[in-house]
Amino acid sequence: EVQLVESGGGLVQPGGSLRLSCAASGFTFSRYWMSWVRQAPGKGLEWVANIKHDGSENSYVDSVKGRFTISRDNAKNSLFLQMNSLRAEDTAVYYCTRDDCSFASCFQGSWGQGALVTVSS
Amino acid sequence: DIQMTQSPSSLSASVGDRVTITCRASQSISSYLNWYQQKPGKAPKLLIYGASSLQSGVPSRFSGSGSGTDFTLTISSLQPEDFATYFCQQSYSNRRPYTFGQGTKLEI
Repeated sequence: EVQLVESGGGLVQPGGSLRLSCAASGFTFSRYWMSWVRQAPGKGLEWVANIKHDGSENSYVDSVKGRFTISRDNAKNSLFLQMNSLRAEDTAVYYCTRDDCSFASCFQGSWGQGALVTVSS
Repeated sequence: DIQMTQSPSSLSASVGDRVTITCRASQSISSYLNWYQQKPGKAPKLLIYGASSLQSGVPSRFSGSGSGTDFTLTISSLQPEDFATYFCQQSYSNRRPYTFGQGTKLEI
């Protein structure tokens, strides 16, 4: 069974930093692209970033470029999101997801339970 | 970036009703369209991928259709557990960024 468990969320002041982790199990982590998706309180879903299975490529939504860094450690089956220069608008539940692709589409096939990040003074 | 627009934003329906939710892309995305269901306090769950392929384990009352810019999610006969928020997502733009629609809240 695929399991994704996020950790590292919490309260941080504007301008501060936080590092989210995601522990993956139940599948061969090193074979999959992985993504972070966030959801502000009472709002919709926003895809944040993803990273290639070997860590050699990544992409970010414009609103976090230059502030957030996605990375992974395949030896430890772990995904990370380093968040710097945090803003109030970064307040959200952050989900770790596995990217799955078929002939028809790529999609977020598995999701963690989410980690809440609150940016407030 | 490709923009995704869902309609309606909210919808009231009853058990047994047939319901259709629409998603429109700002440019053609072929069939690279996915649908998710989210219940309060829970992570989203994939329902449909590639516009019309049903994810394993998802009841057959859910179906998807469309291509290009216009897509629909249909629930043929609403069950109590289907009251949730539904999101569409495009995955056309080769891994950057996979934008979501704003969501449709399905209420009793």
